[in-house]
Amino acid sequence: DVKVTQSSRYLVKRTGEKVFLECVQDMDHENMFWYRQDPGLGLRLIYFSYDVKMKEKGDIPEGYSVSREKKERFSLILESASTNQTSMYLCASSLDGGVGDTQYFGPGTRLTVL
Amino acid sequence: KQEVTQIPAALSVPEGENLVLNCSFTDSAIYNLQWFRQDPGKGLTSLLLIQSSQREQTSGRLNASLDKSSGRSTLYIAASQPGDSATYLCAVTNTGNQFYFGTGTSLTVIP
Repeated sequence: DVKVTQSSRYLVKRTGEKVFLECVQDMDHENMFWYRQDPGLGLRLIYFSYDVKMKEKGDIPEGYSVSREKKERFSLILESASTNQTSMYLCASSLDGGVGDTQYFGPGTRLTVL
Repeated sequence: KQEVTQIPAALSVPEGENLVLNCSFTDSAIYNLQWFRQDPGKGLTSLLLIQSSQREQTSGRLNASLDKSSGRSTLYIAASQPGDSATYLCAVTNTGNQFYFGTGTSLTVIP
């Protein structure tokens, strides 16, 4: 079974802090994704990566950056956290973007910025 | 930009009933469509994936259909059980990399 893990289930940070969210997958998947999920807005893609050191912006990249130094690990960075970044953050991975490829999700990190 | 809509937003049914969840999308040039289940405070679990060349997929009591030309998909759940209570989301991709999600249907199955 594919396993996607996220470093924290719950996180509370203060405005202006630098925040790191870590995601690790154990199935040698090429693609990794970061989403945020907000009531009434659904899941929105922040960034995705299709290979080590490669990244592509999603629909809402502003205020975020990412890092993929190793294939199994994809990090989301909030350079200076703001209250409007309070949200549920979900990481996902998929094999290689083929037509029959599904996404596997981690359990999510609920981030609160005070 | 692809937009995905799910109706209804919430649904309550008595145990044992058959039910249908709806998903519509604006750009019919999709690569695939997936249905996911999300339990409160948890991540998403993939239920069914329909490739663009397929019309339906089945897994146990679940059946998903796809009509690309009309931009619609349905998820049929037979003989619903309280354990089916969750939020169901559909997602489409045009490229295999960028996925667009609906806001989900929250299902409650009443014992």
